Amino acid sequence: NAGVMQNPRHLVRRRGQEARLRCSPMKGHSHVYWYRQLPEEGLKFMVYLQKENIIDESGMPKERFSAEFPKEGPSILRIQQVVRGDSAAYFCASSPPGRRGEKLFFGSGTQLSVL
Amino acid sequence: ELKVEQNPLFLSMQEGKNYTIYCNYSTTSDRLYWYRQDPGKSLESLFVLLSNGAVKQEGRLMASLDTKARLSTLHITAAVHDLSATYFCAVDIGSTNAGKSTFGDGTTLTVKP
Repeated sequence: NAGVMQNPRHLVRRRGQEARLRCSPMKGHSHVYWYRQLPEEGLKFMVYLQKENIIDESGMPKERFSAEFPKEGPSILRIQQVVRGDSAAYFCASSPPGRRGEKLFFGSGTQLSVL
Repeated sequence: ELKVEQNPLFLSMQEGKNYTIYCNYSTTSDRLYWYRQDPGKSLESLFVLLSNGAVKQEGRLMASLDTKARLSTLHITAAVHDLSATYFCAVDIGSTNAGKSTFGDGTTLTVKP
């Protein structure tokens, strides 16, 4: 049973470009969470999704950031017009249905570097 | 706003010694997590603590929760080099927010021979 898969592991973008980060939850998991980690800091909650629904996006910046978890395929975190301050590690986590958040399984993260 | 504070932030200890990492949080919580993160790697779930007085142990690590004091501890017994990592505590508020965690800044543990 593969774990939470994130890709790419490393992503380099120039200011103004778009960044797309992908997350495939563990098989059978229907809850997906995105977190951001700045250097030397803990993780900060961004958004919680279920299939085709955004449940809680209270941690998402109001502009340029969006997330989706379509019926088919991975969850996508999209950052438009990236700025240097977006450079961080972005982690995705999943949990099984009916056991929301009891134990989160984290992916290996995507390290975004904005030049 | 929920605040989660860990201390110490950096800990260097000798193999074989015992030590405790503390996690304080500012409002009533329904659950508390401890995670381990190795450099450049993802987070590994260590413990989930759900009720006052909960104690869980895995190998040389033991976690406890005091909801009245809003305090969790992660106790390390007879440390070994393999325990070197960054340890995070994280807190959820309310079952409807489970998974929406507020993390501490982490405690970076270095175990020296």
